[in-house]
Amino acid sequence: QSVLTQPPSVSAAPGQKVTISCSGSSSNIGNNYVSWYQQLPGTAPKLLIYDNNKRPSGIPDRFSGSKSGTSATLAITGLQTGDEADYYCGSWDNSLSALFGGGTKLTVL
Amino acid sequence: QLQLQESGPGLVKPSETLSLTCSVSGGSISSTTSTYYWGWIRQAPGKGLEWIASIYYGGSTYYNPSLKSRATISVDTSNNQFSLKLRSVTAADTAVYYCAKDYEGYDSSGHYYNWFDPWGPGTLVTVSS
Repeated sequence: QSVLTQPPSVSAAPGQKVTISCSGSSSNIGNNYVSWYQQLPGTAPKLLIYDNNKRPSGIPDRFSGSKSGTSATLAITGLQTGDEADYYCGSWDNSLSALFGGGTKLTVL
Repeated sequence: QLQLQESGPGLVKPSETLSLTCSVSGGSISSTTSTYYWGWIRQAPGKGLEWIASIYYGGSTYYNPSLKSRATISVDTSNNQFSLKLRSVTAADTAVYYCAKDYEGYDSSGHYYNWFDPWGPGTLVTVSS
């Protein structure tokens, strides 16, 4: 059971928008920054979003992040079949520990 | 372009020690241009990500409380590598182990930032007799 809670799966049609939530507490998301990772099948995770809403170089602006209180959201617009992957949120907990969410499997119908 | 590569035995016997090394290329592990650590993360088959530990080139370390008693992370600046040892392994330690560059620190308002980028390709370690 992860400290950061994500829905196990989400789905949407190509071209549509999907959001993935990540719920935590005041000891992690509520007071620290959130990151998001994409893990394509059989590959290592890749950083998508850091500092709640910043994109590393090379990440398309179809991917965006936001945070409100103790929850964060990853939004993906203009869905493509190549976006099918597992998505993980991450944050720091004030108990001096890095945390990841349990992961969300995105299916593009 | 910074690249990381994990190496180590793919099979470890129960109760023994798992030892992995992450080799860093395309940059120095001891660069002081910004605040970052070097970390280990693992992923059991079909499961999510679990952070294990992180180390600063100067030796400062953080450990996952659930693994702290069995894990040791170390850095070798002369060879641009960092390593992980996990003692007394069981089948539950079977996982793909990733190393990654770990950006972290406090901002001006006291909030902590922490993200991992880039990641190595990962190495599967199976614990079995």
